[in-house]
Amino acid sequence: GAVVSQHPSRVICKSGTSVKIECRSLDFQATTMFWYRQFPKQSLMLMATSNEGSKATYEQGVEKDKFLINHASLTLSTLTVTSAHPEDSSFYICSARDPAPDTQYFGPGTRLTVL
Amino acid sequence: GENVEQHPSTLSVQEGDSAVIKCTYSDSASNYFPWYKQELGKRPQLIIDIRSNVGEKKDQRIAVTLNKTAKHFSLHITETQPEDSAVYFCAASIATGNQFYFGTGTSLTVIP
Repeated sequence: GAVVSQHPSRVICKSGTSVKIECRSLDFQATTMFWYRQFPKQSLMLMATSNEGSKATYEQGVEKDKFLINHASLTLSTLTVTSAHPEDSSFYICSARDPAPDTQYFGPGTRLTVL
Repeated sequence: GENVEQHPSTLSVQEGDSAVIKCTYSDSASNYFPWYKQELGKRPQLIIDIRSNVGEKKDQRIAVTLNKTAKHFSLHITETQPEDSAVYFCAASIATGNQFYFGTGTSLTVIP
C-alpha cells in the first residue's frame, strides 16, 4: 500500500521554541492531508485539513497561529508548533489522501515532548 | 460537526470468545465508516471499512454492521486471539478522502 512518512518521529524541545513536523506522501500525490493530535490513551482529534496551495482549514478550538500548517507541494505538508509549551506535548499524526483510489493513509506519528 | 461515540472504552475477553464494539454518529451525511487498530505508539491501521450502501461486511474473523437509520455501526471480532489486543477506533466521514471523525477508542485485551 501507499506510504506516508513523518519526520521527526520523536522530538524533545524547551518551552518557548518552535518545532516543525513534516508529513510526506512517498509514492502518490496528496492534494489533501490531515493533521491529528492524540493524547495518551485518548482518541485522535482532527486539528486541521491541509489542501495543497491553499490555506488550511482548522477545526473549532484549534489555534491557527499556534499550529501553522503549510502544504506547499503535492507530497509535503508541515505542521509547526510555535512557542511550544508543555501542554502541547502530544502524539501528532498526519494522514494523506490518495485520490486514486480515494482513501487515506496515516503517517507513523511524531511524539512531541516540551520541557 | 460530526460527533462519534464509542462503547465500551475497555473490553476484556477470553481467547476464542467474540468481541463487539459499538459506535454511534450524529451526522446523517456521513457515509463512510472505517475501523482502525492502533498498537501503542504506532500509527492506526485500517482493518475494515463499510460504506452506507451496504449493511454488513465481513473479512475473515472481522465483520462490521451498519444501521443508517439508527446511525450506529459495530465491529465484531470472532475467535479472538492475543494478538488482537490493541486499541480500536471507529470513525465516520462523508467520503473516504475526507476528514475522519474518530470515536473515543476501545482498549481490547484478549486473555490467553
